[in-house]
Amino acid sequence: AQSVTQLGSHVSVSEGALVLLRCNYSSSVPPYLFWYVQYPNQGLQLLLKYTSAATLVKGINGFEAEFKKSETSFHLTKPSAHMSDAAEYFCAVRGSGSARQLTFGSGTQLTVLP
Amino acid sequence: DSGVTQTPKHLITATGQRVTLRCSPRSGDLSVYWYQQSLDQGLQFLIHYYNGEERAKGNILERFSAQQFPDLHSELNLSSLELGDSALYFCASSPRGTFIEEQYFGPGTRLTVT
Repeated sequence: AQSVTQLGSHVSVSEGALVLLRCNYSSSVPPYLFWYVQYPNQGLQLLLKYTSAATLVKGINGFEAEFKKSETSFHLTKPSAHMSDAAEYFCAVRGSGSARQLTFGSGTQLTVLP
Repeated sequence: DSGVTQTPKHLITATGQRVTLRCSPRSGDLSVYWYQQSLDQGLQFLIHYYNGEERAKGNILERFSAQQFPDLHSELNLSSLELGDSALYFCASSPRGTFIEEQYFGPGTRLTVT
């Protein structure tokens, strides 16, 4: 079964600092990986997706993620944090074959300090 | 705005009752997924429908059922409600024919069982 693990349930950074949110996956087949963001009292918004076309994936709001097969990782980064980035971030892996549902990590709450 | 709509936004009901949550997918999307988000279980997949047919089941209780109608909207029925069913319920839809079939989430229905 495919799964993802997010290291760090809470991450705090200062405004303007680098954001690094960690995600490791477990999959016996090439994975389809996603990052979603959830703002308070809202649904999940797709940040970016890994399509295997390129290992460095650019998403919305200045976020990007790098797929590293050797490390089974898909960490999310942003060079400079903004106050509006404060939210919960979820890494997810899609099932293979006919099982297309997403399996989510436990989430990382990002706090941005002024 | 993802284009996925869910009603109602909030629902408060008593134990033992039955409720119906409604989801309308994005225009043209044939797949609807239901997920439950709770503090103790995180985001969990419940069930997937594709063009009116059930495709996959996850951790869905026997007291819960779903269906997808010819106009592609979906309903999630929760019966004999228990306090532990209090959670956010999301539906997501995905486009058919794209390589990765990313999922777009609705704003969710917050269910409170008292």
